[in-house]
This record gives sequence, structure tokens and C-alpha cells, in this order.
Amino acid sequence: SQQGEEDPQALSIQEGENATMNCSYKTSINNLQWYRQNSGRGLVHLILIRSNEREKHSGRLRVTLDTSKKSSSLLITASRAADTASYFCATARMDSSYKLIFGSGTRLLVRP
Amino acid sequence: DGGITQSPKYLFRKEGQNVTLSCEQNLNHDAMYWYRQDPGQGLRLIYYSQIVNDFQKGDIAEGYSVSREKKESFPLTVTSAQKNPTAFYLCASSPLPGELFFGEGSRLTVL
Repeated sequence: SQQGEEDPQALSIQEGENATMNCSYKTSINNLQWYRQNSGRGLVHLILIRSNEREKHSGRLRVTLDTSKKSSSLLITASRAADTASYFCATARMDSSYKLIFGSGTRLLVRP
Repeated sequence: DGGITQSPKYLFRKEGQNVTLSCEQNLNHDAMYWYRQDPGQGLRLIYYSQIVNDFQKGDIAEGYSVSREKKESFPLTVTSAQKNPTAFYLCASSPLPGELFFGEGSRLTVL
């Protein structure tokens, strides 16, 4: 079962623009994480936000969490061609924080 | 270098054969995981292990088996009971509930 669902499924932007991806989930969570995957490779962790946090920054990344709406967003500012990848949200439930459930991902294309 | 090593990177299997995917980590992490990824899809959890000699089923455990005899090793066997095994398999580890560190994956194709 997929806990998180990303929106949009695919996103194409020009280099220098901002990219926003959204994630919705169904149950109460301990934390929510965002990962990046280049084609045919393993996933790389980007950022973790805990259920008692509302916003977090890391370099050009900004993540927000709204537990009342069970949703999160990932903003990549000043995008670069190298940001082209798939981005996944993953949630750790309150009752099983080891069990990380991934969404279906957003495929981001940054055009030079 | 510290990290997670999956092998083989590519594997071909005939129908009816069992195959074992290797996953080794030297990060001293307690927890290890196996995920399956189908083309254009997200990751689905097969099995996970929080400590040595203990593991739990994920959402799609049928047709798979694992063992955790050593902290650094978590091999996955894809059995003949798995009806559609062609997929990209990802192993990961974590020191505690939180960030996962992934290997580079093993691509299994059934001929």
C-alpha cells in the first residue's frame, strides 16, 4: 500500500525556475522524508522533517509539512539541469517508525 | 569507503529458478531493508530487519525470503513462487528510525 502520493507525476521547467512537488499521505506520521533518484540508480536522502516541525531548509531545498492536511511540499529554488531526477516522499508511521513507505514519485525535468 | 554494496548489478533468471541478491553494509547500521521498484513506479517494501536474527514482512513479501545472520548482511532470495519477479531491487540501511542509505540496486530480469 502506498502511504504517500506525489503530485504532479511529472514536471518540466526551465533552468533557473523553481520546482514545487507535493506529497499527501493517509495516516499519522513520525516523520516525512524526501529522496532523489537519478535514472537507474539508488535513492539519495535529501531532507527529513519531523511531525512537530512545519518547515525545514537545506541549501536550495525547502520542505513544509502540514499535519492537519496530511501533506508536504518540496521546493527546489533556482533549479539546475543537474536537478533532473525523480523525487520521492516517504513516511514513517507513528506506530512503526522503522517501516518507511514511499510514494510514487515526481519526475522532474530541468531544461537547460 | 563506507556504504552499501549490492550484487550482482544485473541478473537474469529462468522461470522456476530461485535467485539470491546480496546486500552488504559497513556502516554499522542496525536496520536493513529490501524494496522493489517497477518501471516508473515508487518503491514497495518487501522485508525489513531492525536487528540481527529478526526481520518483518513488508507489503509485498510473498515469493521472497530473507535472512539476517550478521549485522552487515541482508540477502534477499527471489523464489519461484514470485510470479512477476522482473524488477529493480534496492537494499537500504539505517542507524535508527530515520534516514535510509541506499545501494545502487540490482536489476533482475526473468527470461
